[in-house]
Amino acid sequence: ETGVTQTPRHLVMGMTNKKSLKCEQHLGHNAMYWYKQSAKKPLELMFVYSLEERVENNSVPSRFSPECPNSSHLFLHLHTLQPEDSALYLCASRTSSNTGELFFGEGSRLTVL
Amino acid sequence: AQSVAQPEDQVNVAEGNPLTVKCTYSVSGNPYLFWYVQYPNRGLQFLLKYITGDNLVKGSYGFEAEFNKSQTSFHLKKPSALVSDSALYFCAVRDPFSGGYNKLIFGAGTRLAVHP
Repeated sequence: ETGVTQTPRHLVMGMTNKKSLKCEQHLGHNAMYWYKQSAKKPLELMFVYSLEERVENNSVPSRFSPECPNSSHLFLHLHTLQPEDSALYLCASRTSSNTGELFFGEGSRLTVL
Repeated sequence: AQSVAQPEDQVNVAEGNPLTVKCTYSVSGNPYLFWYVQYPNRGLQFLLKYITGDNLVKGSYGFEAEFNKSQTSFHLKKPSALVSDSALYFCAVRDPFSGGYNKLIFGAGTRLAVHP
């Protein structure tokens, strides 16, 4: 266990549905990340939150909406997704040290029909 | 532009043999380098990192990596491979322009297959 928990592990949704992915870290970290992992592509950084403030939005479409209510929780709200959004969505957290490694959750496997 | 290259999509090794997974990088300034492993249907697990100091870094599960500044490489190695080492391996470098939040740039990954 890495101390980063993601739910649900698997999600199937239609293109008109609204759903959310949840990430919780129990490590006392103050930075949290969303990454997208698609087949045959490098990991794509989507969003970064530092001290609950969004510090990076990596040109992600507005159908993905992040929320960080406190330093332990991170959400990714999903709305009117496309089939090409099907992927593994990984949450990670990190300490304040700029040499610190990221701790990843197990991921949420999303399938958009 | 900052980047990481993993030139091999897949590496095949017989159990008990040494293994090497290659990584080269292009980054401004001194690099902070990382290796992660991903088992099927799991997230990424941290293996080791190079920040400064000794060029040979030791990590989890018997893995080590050698930093070579002149060749801009950070190859992952293990003296004796196990079947359970079969997984997807990612090299990453810290984006030096990411400020205090440590944005990592990942390679495309190398699939390691260890055969009995």
